[in-house]
Amino acid sequence: AQSVTQLGSHVSVSEGALVLLRCNYSSSVPPYLFWYVQYPNQGLQLLLKYTSAATLVKGINGFEAEFKKSETSFHLTKPSAHMSDAAEYFCAGLSGGYQKVTFGTGTKLQVIP
Amino acid sequence: DVKVTQSSRYLVKRTGEKVFLECVQDMDHENMFWYRQDPGLGLRLIYFSYDVKMKEKGDIPEGYSVSREKKERFSLILESASTNQTSMYLCASSFPTGADTEAFFGQGTRLTVV
Repeated sequence: AQSVTQLGSHVSVSEGALVLLRCNYSSSVPPYLFWYVQYPNQGLQLLLKYTSAATLVKGINGFEAEFKKSETSFHLTKPSAHMSDAAEYFCAGLSGGYQKVTFGTGTKLQVIP
Repeated sequence: DVKVTQSSRYLVKRTGEKVFLECVQDMDHENMFWYRQDPGLGLRLIYFSYDVKMKEKGDIPEGYSVSREKKERFSLILESASTNQTSMYLCASSFPTGADTEAFFGQGTRLTVV
């Protein structure tokens, strides 16, 4: 079964600095992987998804993620953090015959002015 | 736009009450999910359904049941609410296969059991 692990429950960056949020997956087959964002008191919104078409995936709000099979990683990056990026970010993957979505424990991003 | 609608944003219930959380999606998705979200634990899957009247237990099904009588509606039932079920509950739906398999989420229901 697929599982995902997020490293770091809290990350702080300065406004304008690089954002790097880490996610590793565990899967014996090529996975479907996702990054979601959750703003306070809201549901989750899809940022981007990897479906094996390309290893570098671009998403909304300037985020991108690179699938690295050799490292079993799918880290999320953004070149320059904005105050509006402060939120909680979840890595997720699919598992099981019916495409059950499983989530990492989340990383809260704080952006410091 | 895909819409996943949860019937309540906030609920306060008493210990021992039977609680129904309702979720409706308008995208004709086969899969529907119920998660609970707690600080530091991420989203944990309670139950999911891959077709009408079909369901599978997730990681934490104890104390919960579900009902899916129509494709667009998936209900989560707390048979006898307890204080440790105070949490944020999130419903989601998705297609089962193919490139468009991402889950779409409702806004969440924050349940407090007193």
